[in-house]
Amino acid sequence: DQQVKQNSPSLSVQEGRISILNCDYTNSMFDYFLWYKKYPAEGPTFLISISSIKDKNEDGRFTVFLNKSAKHLSLHIVPSQPGDSAVYFCAASADSGTYKYIFGTGTRLKVLA
Amino acid sequence: DAGVTQSPTHLIKTRGQHVTLRCSPISGHKSVSWYQQVLGQGPQFIFQYYEKEERGRGNFPDRFSARQFPNYSSELNVNALLLGDSALYLCASSYQTGGYQPQHFGDGTRLSIL
Repeated sequence: DQQVKQNSPSLSVQEGRISILNCDYTNSMFDYFLWYKKYPAEGPTFLISISSIKDKNEDGRFTVFLNKSAKHLSLHIVPSQPGDSAVYFCAASADSGTYKYIFGTGTRLKVLA
Repeated sequence: DAGVTQSPTHLIKTRGQHVTLRCSPISGHKSVSWYQQVLGQGPQFIFQYYEKEERGRGNFPDRFSARQFPNYSSELNVNALLLGDSALYLCASSYQTGGYQPQHFGDGTRLSIL
């Protein structure tokens, strides 16, 4: 049962344009959501997070939007840069005493120069 | 400051053997979690430890075990290795469990089973 889904395995965007990565979840108990970026041969790097009491969080070029009614979150990268090319994972956790993250399967972003 | 460090970076074992993977968290972080990532998938939660106590366990067989030491470093042990255990094993640390704090990952140990 895939509780966190990233339905787009890959995405190509022109440099300077907006990249939008999407993530859907099924568990209404999730209350904390994160985005990680992963380069080959490296561990996931934390990008940005959002708690369920917010619907938007911004950090520089990265903005995460949360739509709780639709159980959907998205990561916007503006403007996209070639160095943003990586695999992006969304993750979710529930304040249930075990703060494990449930990860999606990732979206490979390629930013074209 | 050093990030999360894991050792070894690569490891090759044969079926039936045992393996120990090691993790040192970011200085000041008291919680360590272990994840398994197979090709094409996201990381899957194995264990979480906080203050040397197990706080969570994922859906993995009893062949998988872990512990956390007084200095907050951690070991993941896997017995009776199977071909399906071939994966990237990731360690993540955070200051404490929960509280809307991100976990920070190491670069992982690539385990190959022959």
